[in-house]
Amino acid sequence: ETGVTQTPRHLVMGMTNKKSLKCEQHLGHNAMYWYKQSAKKPLELMFVYNFKEQTENNSVPSRFSPECPNSSHLFLHLHTLQPEDSALYLCASSQEHTNTGELFFGEGSRLTVL
Amino acid sequence: KQEVTQIPAALSVPEGENLVLNCSFTDSAIYNLQWFRQDPGKGLTSLLLIQSSQREQTSGRLNASLDKSSGRSTLYIAASQPGDSATYLCATGANSKLTFGKGITLSVRP
Repeated sequence: ETGVTQTPRHLVMGMTNKKSLKCEQHLGHNAMYWYKQSAKKPLELMFVYNFKEQTENNSVPSRFSPECPNSSHLFLHLHTLQPEDSALYLCASSQEHTNTGELFFGEGSRLTVL
Repeated sequence: KQEVTQIPAALSVPEGENLVLNCSFTDSAIYNLQWFRQDPGKGLTSLLLIQSSQREQTSGRLNASLDKSSGRSTLYIAASQPGDSATYLCATGANSKLTFGKGITLSVRP
């Protein structure tokens, strides 16, 4: 495995379900990110982890709960979502959370909330 | 607050044409600018990263330039091919926060 891997690639869930998105990076990076991409809108930064510590929470609703057990793995736990949360959720990593780091993205998890 | 604009939203060109994709940003106090490619339903692939101290970067048929004073970056694609069809996004920022444009969807006709 190389690069940034996200699972599952597609997820359909009801509003009362609990599910998790997983991201794993094999690049030896120390910073990991969750982004949300909705139709017709720019990518929105959700969370940033630097050396396993959360350094950014971009006013994300509490129904999204991130977890970063180590520098290689990042999860996004989903609970009681709304239909407007349907989007492509992208994980990214960089060498570290500095101003000059290059971002590398995974293929994304396409989420549909019914 | 940084704003990144990419116009037009879509572009269709015949194969073989040289083309320029534009990206403008409102706050010139940036640390870098990055160009990405996104194929339908897929993630983003990094194409070029320009640090704020640099004026341009090249990779194969791609050349990206950066003019901080005017708040602009361009991505030049030489001899376009149908395989170049994708959405191209630029992102820039400061204080460790990247702001993305909405992207330009490019279609290269055979």
